[in-house]
Amino acid sequence: KQEVTQIPAALSVPEGENLVLNCSFTDSAIYNLQWFRQDPGKGLTSLLLIQSSQREQTSGRLNASLDKSSGRSTLYIAASQPGDSATYLCAVRSGGGADGLTFGKGTHLIIQP
Amino acid sequence: DAGVIQSPRHEVTEMGQEVTLRCKPISGHNSLFWYRQTMMRGLELLIYFNNNVPIDDSGMPEDRFSAKMPNASFSTLKIQPSEPRDSAVYFCASKTGTSVAETQYFGPGTRLLVL
Repeated sequence: KQEVTQIPAALSVPEGENLVLNCSFTDSAIYNLQWFRQDPGKGLTSLLLIQSSQREQTSGRLNASLDKSSGRSTLYIAASQPGDSATYLCAVRSGGGADGLTFGKGTHLIIQP
Repeated sequence: DAGVIQSPRHEVTEMGQEVTLRCKPISGHNSLFWYRQTMMRGLELLIYFNNNVPIDDSGMPEDRFSAKMPNASFSTLKIQPSEPRDSAVYFCASKTGTSVAETQYFGPGTRLLVL
């Protein structure tokens, strides 16, 4: 059974810092890995999707990498801003034909002004 | 596009009552997912449908939970009877196709409190 772990569970940094969020998964047979953002009381918004054949994806100040063989992904946020404060969730779509996502419990990020 | 629509947004009920959560996926999407989020367990997949057909319901916790998708634009998740441990946020998501490049689009969730 796929398990997804995110470290750290919470992070608070001053505005302007670059930061890295970590995600690990136990079964490397995945179709893709996604990073989502969740704001309080809201649904999830997809930030980046990395297919199993890819090593990284970039969108603006966000960069996500995938090392499938070691079961790891990182989300790099450059020049953090207070508006980046949210919970960041990592999710994998496992192989075997399944279409649902397995989520980590998230990293709660606070960017101090 | 209105996105995934869920109703109600909040539900407070008493133990033993029937609860029905509703979801309207994005038009043209042919896959629909129900997830549950709690502090203890995080986000968990309950069930998903492809072309209105239930594909994997292994995440449905008990027989008290049932889900239907009578047509491409509507799905329900029913809990009968409800229990306090069912209190959670229930999310519906939809996507188009089965490509590995497709992401799921989430609704705003229904916050359920069972007293």
